[in-house]
Amino acid sequence: AQKVTQAQTEISVVEKEDVTLDCVYETRDTTYYLFWYKQPPSGELVFLIRRNSFDEQNEISGRYSWNFQKSTSSFNFTITASQVVDSAVYFCALSEAGADSSYKLIFGSGTRLLVRP
Amino acid sequence: NAGVTQTPKFQVLKTGQSMTLQCAQDMNHEYMSWYRQDPGMGLRLIHYSVGAGITDQGEVPNGYNVSRSTTEDFPLRLLSAAPSQTSVYFCASRDSTGNSPLHFGNGTRLTVT
Repeated sequence: AQKVTQAQTEISVVEKEDVTLDCVYETRDTTYYLFWYKQPPSGELVFLIRRNSFDEQNEISGRYSWNFQKSTSSFNFTITASQVVDSAVYFCALSEAGADSSYKLIFGSGTRLLVRP
Repeated sequence: NAGVTQTPKFQVLKTGQSMTLQCAQDMNHEYMSWYRQDPGMGLRLIHYSVGAGITDQGEVPNGYNVSRSTTEDFPLRLLSAAPSQTSVYFCASRDSTGNSPLHFGNGTRLTVT
């Protein structure tokens, strides 16, 4: 069965610190997709990244970077030089590639990040 | 291009009342879905649809009905509201390309007293 675990319920950092949000997933499929979404205080859900299971290259987008390691079933998210605007709840999610499974996105419970000035 | 539009934004119901949460998208997406968000539990899939006339159950379908008569609309019906249905509801859509990202509406905060 699919499962996504975000063990960090809440993280508090001071502005300009680096912070890593952990995501561990479980799946029996060899083909799957991993996602990160951001939910700012205003409540909307914003797509950040999608990674498929065959692409283990790390990705960097500005201050954001993602580390995908199949050996440890992890897809961690790092924010470098955090800013107050990064304060949000971040969700990691997983979907499998099967005909029916691809329609079911499984979310972790989220990590609330508070960046203090 | 409005994306995914949900109405209403807020709703208070009494136990036993019924209501429909509306969801519309203008991106011609085949896939639409409803999630509920509860504290500490992330988002859980209620129902989804892969095209007009086709719906299926997600992880937590009990107490909710859906239908998909058009590509654009995917309403969620609560037939007899219960306090356990107090939650924030999100509608989402995506195109049929495998595992493309979901586009979410802004959510409906529902309170059942």
